[in-house]
Amino acid sequence: DTGVSQDPRHKITKRGQNVTFRCDPISEHNRLYWYRQTLGQGPEFLTYFQNEAQLEKSRLLSDRFSAERPKGSFSTLEIQRTEQGDSAMYLCASSLRLAGGELFFGEGSRLTVL
Amino acid sequence: GESVGLHLPTLSVQEGDNSIINCAYSNSASDYFIWYKQESGKGPQFIIDIRSNMDKRQGQRVTVLLNKTVKHLSLQIAATQPGDSAVYFCAAVTYKYIFGTGTRLKVLA
Repeated sequence: DTGVSQDPRHKITKRGQNVTFRCDPISEHNRLYWYRQTLGQGPEFLTYFQNEAQLEKSRLLSDRFSAERPKGSFSTLEIQRTEQGDSAMYLCASSLRLAGGELFFGEGSRLTVL
Repeated sequence: GESVGLHLPTLSVQEGDNSIINCAYSNSASDYFIWYKQESGKGPQFIIDIRSNMDKRQGQRVTVLLNKTVKHLSLQIAATQPGDSAVYFCAAVTYKYIFGTGTRLKVLA
């Protein structure tokens, strides 16, 4: 399968714990995006990378959140000291900058904070 | 700030009828627009896109219309089928993709 893959698909954690999600984009795609989606809402932009450079971070991304894309390939999204309000689906997407612009999404990582 | 809104949270359509889902955006700098379909527990899937220099684009059973004057776009699905049941999002794009809240399409047998 050559699509965007995310791991883990589901994560249940206790409040205060740290969690990390991984995203492997489509191999030739140089743009990578993280979105958060809560029930009944559309995806909310969190951050995006052009190769290894993080070009924008949303106000939604508090200082407990950090994202990296160290070699311009896979990316990680870490949430420290999780809160119940962090419970959501975290979606990763990638695109090829000079192509038609379609954003290819992974299946998401669902986080439940107890 | 930028926003994208859909006009109806839920749309119920009889199987075989045409569906029209509407979306409004706020950022006049948006130069590209996409419609996505999301089924329960899955990530959004691309349906069709349109650039701001066009006002209509057709795909297989789907048509997107763009009215830049009123910042409005719509997705038309012809001969709606049960497999079309899902949540539909529009996204307005500059360098990032801003999504609306989604319209849930229910296809009635």
